[in-house]
Amino acid sequence: KAGVTQTPRYLIKTRGQQVTLSCSPISGHRSVSWYQQTPGQGLQFLFEYFSETQRNKGNFPGRFSGRQFSNSRSEMNVSTLELGDSALYLCASSKRVQGNTEAFFGQGTRLTVV
Amino acid sequence: GIQVEQSPPDLILQEGANSTLRCNFSDSVNNLQWFHQNPWGQLINLFYIPSGTKQNGRLSATTVATERYSLLYISSSQTTDSGVYFCAVIRDDKIIFGKGTRLHILP
Repeated sequence: KAGVTQTPRYLIKTRGQQVTLSCSPISGHRSVSWYQQTPGQGLQFLFEYFSETQRNKGNFPGRFSGRQFSNSRSEMNVSTLELGDSALYLCASSKRVQGNTEAFFGQGTRLTVV
Repeated sequence: GIQVEQSPPDLILQEGANSTLRCNFSDSVNNLQWFHQNPWGQLINLFYIPSGTKQNGRLSATTVATERYSLLYISSSQTTDSGVYFCAVIRDDKIIFGKGTRLHILP
């Protein structure tokens, strides 16, 4: 069974550009959530999607957006990149079974903004 | 919202030593996981343990849900155990992490 796949693994962008990151969840998992990890702020929740609907959103500016497709694959987009957006972006997929939910993470996308 | 606190924040041990990492949470949970973040950043699932005790090789975990804490035990530490260990709970379909324990195992 394939795990969570994130692409690309590494990315270097210039301030002001935009970027799109992709996450393919484990087969059968319909919930996908995104997290930003920086040395200073730790792991912070960005948003969560289930069946193409955003159910939860973290405290990030509108430059951060996402979507989920009918096959549960998800993308997140960051527009007008700032230096502070440099971070590791992690995606998790999960599935609720009898009230229990276990999350699995992809390898992450390391974004550097210069 | 629910708070997840981990201790200690940093731990330095000699290879072969045992260690105990603690996770306290402020509200009742029915989902609790332990992760190890490898040097490349990936979060590796160690245990899904909302209650009870589980063991996997040199690692074991215990969650006492009624007292709102979980413990991760690492026995006979190896240098490959180095890294950051996170405790996390799921609330309202989002994962809430502690700040992690950074473990350094010295050869």
